[in-house]
Amino acid sequence: AQSVSQHNHHVILSEAASLELGCNYSYGGTVNLFWYVQYPGQHLQLLLKYFSGDPLVKGIKGFEAEFIKSKFSFNLRKPSVQWSDTAEYFCAVNSFSGGYNKLIFGAGTRLAVHP
Amino acid sequence: NAGVTQTPKFRVLKTGQSMTLLCAQDMNHEYMYWYRQDPGMGLRLIHYSVGEGTTAKGEVPDGYNVSRLKKQNFLLGLESAAPSQTSVYFCASSYSTSSGRFIEQFFGPGTRLTVL
Repeated sequence: AQSVSQHNHHVILSEAASLELGCNYSYGGTVNLFWYVQYPGQHLQLLLKYFSGDPLVKGIKGFEAEFIKSKFSFNLRKPSVQWSDTAEYFCAVNSFSGGYNKLIFGAGTRLAVHP
Repeated sequence: NAGVTQTPKFRVLKTGQSMTLLCAQDMNHEYMYWYRQDPGMGLRLIHYSVGEGTTAKGEVPDGYNVSRLKKQNFLLGLESAAPSQTSVYFCASSYSTSSGRFIEQFFGPGTRLTVL
């Protein structure tokens, strides 16, 4: 069965620190990978996505993620976090089963950035 | 263009009561989804629909029913609410390209449901 594992459930950083959030997936087919962000009290928004091509994907707000096929990983990075990055981050993989597309989400990583 | 909207935003039910959550999208998307979000468990798919008049079970369908009578609306029903259904419910919609490529899902603002 397809699954997504996010290693860190809670991360606390100071402003300007670098961020890396881990994401590993289990899926045998062609993968489409996503990172979504949920700011406090808000709905999920897409940060970035990988379909094919360059494995280093750049998203909004200075985030990037690297797809490493051999490691089944799609880690999220940001060189210097800001207080406004405080949010919950979800990794997701597209699952194609029963003839239809669905997203499988990880459990999420809650990031707190202190000024 | 409102995107994906959900009503109500908050609701408190007593055990055994019923209610319907409404999701509407104005992007002409074929696919619609209902998720529940619980702490430490991410989002889990309850039911989904691949087009008007169609519905299918997701990962955690028990205790819920859905209907997609119109392409723009996707209703989630709880016939007899239980405390275990206390959660935040998110609706989403998406589409695939003509070549079958899956595009991102667009999410609504959520409904916070408490069952006492």
